[in-house]
Amino acid sequence: EPEVTQTPSHQVTQMGQEVILRCVPISNHLYFYWYRQILGQKVEFLVSFYNNEISEKSEIFDDQFSVERPDGSNFTLKIRSTKLEDSAMYFCASSNIGLVVRAQYFGPGTRLLVL
Amino acid sequence: DAKTTQPPSMDCAEGRAANLPCNHSTISGNEYVYWYRQIHSQGPQYIIHGLKNNETNEMASLIITEDRKSSTLILPHATLRDTAVYYCIVSADNYGQNFVFGPGTRLSVLP
Repeated sequence: EPEVTQTPSHQVTQMGQEVILRCVPISNHLYFYWYRQILGQKVEFLVSFYNNEISEKSEIFDDQFSVERPDGSNFTLKIRSTKLEDSAMYFCASSNIGLVVRAQYFGPGTRLLVL
Repeated sequence: DAKTTQPPSMDCAEGRAANLPCNHSTISGNEYVYWYRQIHSQGPQYIIHGLKNNETNEMASLIITEDRKSSTLILPHATLRDTAVYYCIVSADNYGQNFVFGPGTRLSVLP
């Protein structure tokens, strides 16, 4: 069964450093998403992406964040200058168009720790 | 904020049916009900979704009331591996619509 994959599984970085989190969505999906979950808190939406542009973003997704689909398979989230409060699990998800397949399918996540 | 209300926790005996309720009294006509679960800190796992008819798949059944203001997720024979946080989410029929997660229901399946 196709699944969303994410790399790395864990990332430790120093405050102020740039990080890039990578995702490979399910191959025939057209919509891509990033969510995050701070330890012990709810899963929060960051951004959705379709047709090579952002379709929706939350207040969390400020100028420090960017997303890109650099090729036909990868979808990346970049944090330009990490802060301590960016420490969280980051989940990528993808979905498709269709009467049945509307659900978003999530990857296993990247645990980001900012020191 | 999430448009759904769920009990914070429930217990279920292994082998018995787990019935997880969700209230979504302000649901709109074009909004689907989705159920996901999250085991530990893994990515949310899709379980099932529906609009107004009851739905069943290999994982669970979804019962939606006629007025669509509430729903119940049924795990027919709960196992220890079903211990997880279960999220009920309502989302419009717009492709790319983001999901708003609430705190969910922490289901503990007891031996």
